[in-house]
This record gives sequence, structure tokens and C-alpha cells, in this order.
Amino acid sequence: DGGITQSPKYLFRKEGQNVTLSCEQNLNHDAMYWYRQDPGQGLRLIYYSQIVNDFQKGDIAEGYSVSREKKESFPLTVTSAQKNPTAFYLCASGARRGSYEQYFGPGTRLTVT
Amino acid sequence: GESVGLHLPTLSVQEGDNSIINCAYSNSASDYFIWYKQESGKGPQFIIDIRSNMDKRQGQRVTVLLNKTVKHLSLQIAATQPGDSAVYFCAEIYGGTSYGKLTFGQGTILTVHP
Repeated sequence: DGGITQSPKYLFRKEGQNVTLSCEQNLNHDAMYWYRQDPGQGLRLIYYSQIVNDFQKGDIAEGYSVSREKKESFPLTVTSAQKNPTAFYLCASGARRGSYEQYFGPGTRLTVT
Repeated sequence: GESVGLHLPTLSVQEGDNSIINCAYSNSASDYFIWYKQESGKGPQFIIDIRSNMDKRQGQRVTVLLNKTVKHLSLQIAATQPGDSAVYFCAEIYGGTSYGKLTFGQGTILTVHP
């Protein structure tokens, strides 16, 4: 059963704590992406990775960090430097060269109080 | 249609009607476009895509139209059903890399009344 999994679905943290969101895919995709979605808004790109051990900042990378040690995994850490971390976080993976479709996971809703 | 503002456009239709959702994209050099459907609390799902060298593409119950002259994209849903109720996003990609970065529009809320 191929796809993208994100865990947990809901996450609660206290302000000042770092938190890591999990994203795993078994689609054998090279590229993976993290997006943030706020209520009534579209998706904004945080970080993306085209290959293992390489990643690039997206449009709103400040306060976030990522790693790509394995092809299947692309965890996102929301650090205490992120001023407004409460949001819905979506992970996606991208198909082979020349195909731009991205497949999305179910998302993690992070609430920081 | 989609806008840059904070309030999502909405479209309400009766079951069985045809729906048209509009999107104005920003980059005249974008060469690939995707429509996604997002149900509440879930990740977006791919609906249909179109390359910039086409002006129309049809899928099952859906048609995407592309007008590059005015940078406009539309999604037509035939015989709309209650299960079509969701937020619909268009996304554009400027190529040049193997894995393009998607730029999403704000989204349109579609509500289908039985």
C-alpha cells in the first residue's frame, strides 16, 4: 500500500519547545516537500529536497529546519524561533523527472500555546 | 474565482449543476498547472493537470481550460455531487528544474447542496 504518512495527526506543544513532524513515503520519489497552511490560505513552501542529503529553503523557511538522511524520510523541525508555529503542516513527494505532480500526506495540525 | 485576499472565494451550487472554478495565475512563464481538491482536515488530492502547450484537457467529469493570453485557468465539474464539496486550489509550476516548485493559489470553497 503505497503513499505518504505523516504523524501525528494532531500535535500540541508549549511555546519555546522545538517539535519534529514526521513524513515518510514509500513511493520511491526522489523529491519531498514541506508546506504550511493557515486557515483560509493556500499552501506555502517551507523546505524541499530533490535528493538525499540535499535540501533547499522554500518561501518561508525561517524558524524551521529539515534533514534528508534517507530517501523515504523528510522530518521537519519547528523551532522556538518560529514566531507563529500554529498551523496545518503538509508533506508531499514528487514523481520522476519530467512529471510535476506532487502527492500529499494527510497533514499534521500543530497547536502551540 | 481565486484572489490574493484573506477571504476565500466561495461557490454554491445545486447537486447536478455544472460548476466552474476560476484561477488567475501570476507567472506568464509557468509551463504546467495542476488542480487540487482538499477536503476539510486532509491533504490535497490531485484532480487534473495541463501543460502550457495545451488549452483544454478533459478527465472524468472534469475539464480544465487554460487561457495564456490573460493568464487564466478554470476547472469545470460536470453534474456536481455533494462529495465534490471541498476547497479547490490551482497550482502553477515554472519549469527549469526536474522537480518544479508549486505555487498555489488561495483556493475556492465549493459547496454542493443536495
